[in-house]
Amino acid sequence: GQNIDQPTEMTATEGAIVQINCTYQTSGFNGLFWYQQHAGEAPTFLSYNVLDGLEEKGRFSSFLSRSKGYSYLLLKELQMKDSASYLCAVLDSNYQLIWGAGTKLIIKP
Amino acid sequence: IAGITQAPTSQILAAGRRMTLRCTQDMRHNAMYWYRQDLGLGLRLIHYSNTAGTTGKGEVPDGYSVSRANTDDFPLTLASAVPSQTSVYFCASSALPRTDTQYFGPGTRLTVL
Repeated sequence: GQNIDQPTEMTATEGAIVQINCTYQTSGFNGLFWYQQHAGEAPTFLSYNVLDGLEEKGRFSSFLSRSKGYSYLLLKELQMKDSASYLCAVLDSNYQLIWGAGTKLIIKP
Repeated sequence: IAGITQAPTSQILAAGRRMTLRCTQDMRHNAMYWYRQDLGLGLRLIHYSNTAGTTGKGEVPDGYSVSRANTDDFPLTLASAVPSQTSVYFCASSALPRTDTQYFGPGTRLTVL
């Protein structure tokens, strides 16, 4: 079966750095997405990786290793507004998007 | 303002009733999707449409139907609601089907009693 694993919940301190991991086992791979979802709101697009390596976008970076079936989202200089769930999703060989359950990130002052 | 709208925002429904959740986008996106989101689970695809006039089944289509008469609208119908359909429903769209970034509506919170 297809599987996306993310930690259920993480806690970090305002101003710090946090890394949210995502491992996947899917039938094929055509790209990996990260979305942010604040409580009670819609998911919003953060990043897309299809090649190995690090993609940096302001305070957020996303890394992919296709050989390891692994990605992480790195958030720097954490702000209280970064408190949200972070969803990892993989596009499989049939171009079906497989979603992880999400990681709830709690930021403490 | 460009984006996706969904209606209603929330609804409490008696089991056995018929319900249509509305979704409209003004981005002229070709593809549209319906997901449900339940606590502890990832988003699950119910139905999708790659372009106006076509629809397809997702991971959990049973008990739901959709239509895509035009580019902008993609309603989701529950023919006879059951309590297991209690969930948050999100509509999404993408410029191109399958590979493109999806943009989500604000969601409909549905409770079936």
